[in-house]
Amino acid sequence: AQSVTQLDSQVPVFEEAPVELRCNYSSSVSVYLFWYVQYPNQGLQLLLKYLSGSTLVESINGFEAEFNKSQTSFHLRKPSVHISDTAEYFCAVRNINDYKLSFGAGTTVTVRA
Amino acid sequence: DTAVSQTPKYLVTQMGNDKSIKCEQNLGHDTMYWYKQDSKKFLKIMFSYNNKELIINETVPNRFSPKSPDKAHLNLHINSLELGDSAVYFCASSGGRDEQFFGPGTRLTVL
Repeated sequence: AQSVTQLDSQVPVFEEAPVELRCNYSSSVSVYLFWYVQYPNQGLQLLLKYLSGSTLVESINGFEAEFNKSQTSFHLRKPSVHISDTAEYFCAVRNINDYKLSFGAGTTVTVRA
Repeated sequence: DTAVSQTPKYLVTQMGNDKSIKCEQNLGHDTMYWYKQDSKKFLKIMFSYNNKELIINETVPNRFSPKSPDKAHLNLHINSLELGDSAVYFCASSGGRDEQFFGPGTRLTVL
């Protein structure tokens, strides 16, 4: 079975400052990794994913995450945040041969002017 | 067009009642899921169907029963509702084991 740990439950940050959300996973087999974002009172939207290939993956709105197999991590970063990035961010992991997606507890990002 | 839709969006009911939540996806996906998000925003898989066949059945009270009449629909029926069932329930779908697309959620409040 796989599991995910998000190391920060809340991250307050000022507008235009950088942010990093930490995610570590454990699994006995190869995995796929995802970051989802949930805006207030909405469903989850996929932000980015790592399936294979380049360990650095990027989203269209400036987020990036790097898969580090040796450290079993998939940290999410953005060099300059906007007020609109205020949301809940979930890291998720799935074994490559399974359908089951396991989520971390989430990180609340609050961007202040 | 909404990719994954759920009805109702809000559901307020009394303890002991039976209720259903419906989910439909128009993405042509084979696999659908139900998740429960509790008050601390923790997300947990409940069930999954692939081509109308149950493939994931987590430790969930048997008061919860999923039903998939076809690949595009996955409904969740809950009997004898309890206070602890209050949560947001999300439906999702995927094309096989690829990324999952989530619906907008159904906020269930049991009084």
